[in-house]
Amino acid sequence: DSGVTQTPKHLITATGQRVTLRCSPRSGDLSVYWYQQSLDQGLQFLIQYYNGEERAKGNILERFSAQQFPDLHSELNLSSLELGDSALYFCASSDPSGRNTYNEQFFGPGTRLTVL
Amino acid sequence: QKEVEQDPGPLSVPEGAIVSLNCTYSNSAFQYFMWYRQYSRKGPELLMYTYSSGNKEDGRFTAQVDKSSKYISLFIRDSQPSDSATYLCAMTQRRVTGGGNKLTFGTGTQLKVEL
Repeated sequence: DSGVTQTPKHLITATGQRVTLRCSPRSGDLSVYWYQQSLDQGLQFLIQYYNGEERAKGNILERFSAQQFPDLHSELNLSSLELGDSALYFCASSDPSGRNTYNEQFFGPGTRLTVL
Repeated sequence: QKEVEQDPGPLSVPEGAIVSLNCTYSNSAFQYFMWYRQYSRKGPELLMYTYSSGNKEDGRFTAQVDKSSKYISLFIRDSQPSDSATYLCAMTQRRVTGGGNKLTFGTGTQLKVEL
């Protein structure tokens, strides 16, 4: 168990709908990362938050948005869903305080999104 | 062209075999190289990481990085059925204090170790 939790585990919805995925990082971790894993593209970085602020953006669609709250949990919002958004969405957290030589990212179990 | 290329497999080997998994990359700014293991329907977990070029050994696992060739490898000795999983290489640029850094992943190699 990595200590990162994600809810829900599975989500089935229809095209055009909006969903929210939730992530709770490991205790003490300030950075949260969101990744999308699809069969054809592999694991791709979407966005990173550090202590409530957006820190880096990857190939995140404009229909997707995220935020990190004061208690450090994060939510990824996906709207106007399309069939191609069906994927596994992972959240990872790290402690970039400098205590570790490498900022290892610990991954949650993922949310499997199916868009019908 | 993708920044990180990895043969997706699947790779099937008998128990006890030595397994070699490889990735190539194009971005010379990458300095940290990692191997993650992902079991079916689970999140990736870090197996090993190396900084810059060289070898690193941890039990049955050895990671190699050749920055001049932009090539990294993971060797698994005495492979076990429990090693059956997808292995993902990942890379990142220098560590950013106070922020961390995004990971760039290969597509993963599916490994099956058979009895």
